[in-house]
Order: sequence, then C-alpha cells, then structure tokens
Amino acid sequence: ELKVEQNPLFLSMQEGKNYTIYCNYSTTSDRLYWYRQDPGKSLESLFVLLSNGAVKQEGRLMASLDTKARLSTLHITAAVHDLSATYFCAVVISLDSNYQLIWGAGTKLIIKP
Amino acid sequence: GAVVSQHPSWVICKSGTSVKIECRSLDFQATTMFWYRQFPKQSLMLMATSNEGSKATYEQGVEKDKFLINHASLTLSTLTVTSAHPEDSSFYICSAFPGPAAFEQFFGPGTRLTVL
Repeated sequence: ELKVEQNPLFLSMQEGKNYTIYCNYSTTSDRLYWYRQDPGKSLESLFVLLSNGAVKQEGRLMASLDTKARLSTLHITAAVHDLSATYFCAVVISLDSNYQLIWGAGTKLIIKP
Repeated sequence: GAVVSQHPSWVICKSGTSVKIECRSLDFQATTMFWYRQFPKQSLMLMATSNEGSKATYEQGVEKDKFLINHASLTLSTLTVTSAHPEDSSFYICSAFPGPAAFEQFFGPGTRLTVL
C-alpha cells in the first residue's frame, strides 16, 4: 500500500523553540515536496528534494531527504509565530507512466508568542 | 515562478445547480492538470488527472458524471460540479504540471464551494 505518514499531526510550541516534523513514505521515490498551507488558502511550495542526502534551507526551515530510509524531515529553528500553518509532505510516484503525488495527512503547527 | 489561477475563488450555490470552476496556467503550458478537493482539517484528495485533449482519469470513488472535467487547451482545464449537493461543499484546488522535465506541479489558489 502506498502511504505517506507525517508525524506529529498537531504541534503547539512556544516561540524560540526548535522542532522536527517527520515524513515517512512506503514506496520508492526520488522526489519529495514540502508545502505550507495557511487557513483558507492554497498550497505554498517550500522545498523540492530531488536526491538522497538533499538538504535545503530557507530562513528558519530546513528540509532533508534520506531515500534509503524513505524519510524526510522538516526542521524548525527558533520558531516564530509567522510559521504557524499546516505543513504537508508529498511524494512523487510514477504509475504506468503517470505522475502522481501521494500526500501526507499534514502537520498543524501552532506557535505561541 | 509559474502562476496558476482559479476562478471563481468562492462560490455559494443552491442545491441542484451546477458550478463550473476554471483553472488556468498563465505563463506556461500544462500537459497535465490535477484536480483536488480538501475537506476541513484534512489533506488533499486527488480527484482526477486530466491531460490536454484526452479524457480525464478519475480516482476511485469519484463520480465522473458528477465531476465533469474538460481540458480543452494546454492552459485551461475546467471542473463542473453537476447537480451540486451540500456534501459537495469543499475547497477545490487545481494544479498544473508543465511536463516530465519539470520538477514540480504548480497550485492554483483554490475555489471554496458552498452548496446550500
């Protein structure tokens, strides 16, 4: 079964703290995405991870990919209130030459001032 | 970056009426467009994949006669919710994929459908 599991599903934390969100997937894939979604809005692309060992950073967010472990992490450093949102990971699979994204359930992040 | 628009952004309609949602890629051609729906506090659910000039491929459990998809050109796909009912109320998001050489698909801003 094709699955993408995010952990945790919900996270409330204080400003200034660090935390990591995990994304495990069950099938071989060479492409993983992280998106941010604010309430009532569509998705904002954060990171595209294309290879094993890929690490990307943007501001207080850093994403990494381990294709052997089928694991990606999204690390938050010194969280600020503006990072409050729901974060999704999604994995690319190819089925019969069709490209498709398999989505995690999302991690709702609330950062308290 | 690549821009995808959706129209309308929010629509409220009466039960039994049909609603058309447009998805346009503004500055690139999209060989494939995807339609998703998202219920509150849930992840995205892929409804169908449409390729320009051919019939859409629907995911299991999605009624093709209820959710009509037309991908008439490389920059436009439409989703028509026919005979809408309150349970069709949801957030509908389209995305456009430039092709296999692209690294990612680009998402529209979403359309909120409320059926009374």
